[in-house]
Amino acid sequence: QSALTQPRSVSGSPGQSVAISCTGTSSDVGGYNYVSWYQQYPGKAPKLMIFDVSKRPSGVPDRFSGSKSGNTASLTISGLQAEDEADYYCCSYAGSYTYDVFGTGTRLTVL
Amino acid sequence: QITLKESGPTLMKPTQTLTLTCTFSGFSLSTSGVGVGWIRQPPGKALEWVALIYANDDKRYSPSLKTRLTITKDTSKNQVVLTMTNVDPVDTATYFCAHRPCTSISCYSFTTWGQGTMVTVSS
Repeated sequence: QSALTQPRSVSGSPGQSVAISCTGTSSDVGGYNYVSWYQQYPGKAPKLMIFDVSKRPSGVPDRFSGSKSGNTASLTISGLQAEDEADYYCCSYAGSYTYDVFGTGTRLTVL
Repeated sequence: QITLKESGPTLMKPTQTLTLTCTFSGFSLSTSGVGVGWIRQPPGKALEWVALIYANDDKRYSPSLKTRLTITKDTSKNQVVLTMTNVDPVDTATYFCAHRPCTSISCYSFTTWGQGTMVTVSS
């Protein structure tokens, strides 16, 4: 099972919006509405930001939103803030054999 | 409050067997649908899903690592143990354990993670 494909890096200025894509196949992203997104600061544990494509856990700002079209999921961060600068990983359920597959990760830089 | 903490050796030699323990609190691995998973991250690289065990003792493994892995749980001690045989330098990584609840809202994400434990494999 190959990792989901994410852009290596994205950037934006404070206040702007950025989108991070996560491309898989019909066996993972396209086949299930179980895509989650994690934020990770250097040297820290990942934090769940979005689950089931577009749901936000309690405490996550509504600036973070998720969506999916076909085999590609996206995380959009609006009103960028300096604290959003981190690595972001998508993850998709991929069936009862492979189970979960993570994305290649995206470094978000706030200019 | 849910917490998880990983423990195990920091340095291993190739071909040895790695045993990692995840000790958790704030939930029970006897509750139907609850799971605890292991995810690893080589230095400077992406997260990689490794294994998962559920309350009903259903076990899932990464296909690429399956032959080398065993995951078990000790409900009375609130612990999950991951064993990896025949380690190699490519297994050098930070190993995280994480809580995977199953509620009416969702069953397919890791909601709380441990801090991770770094394991280096070197001769």
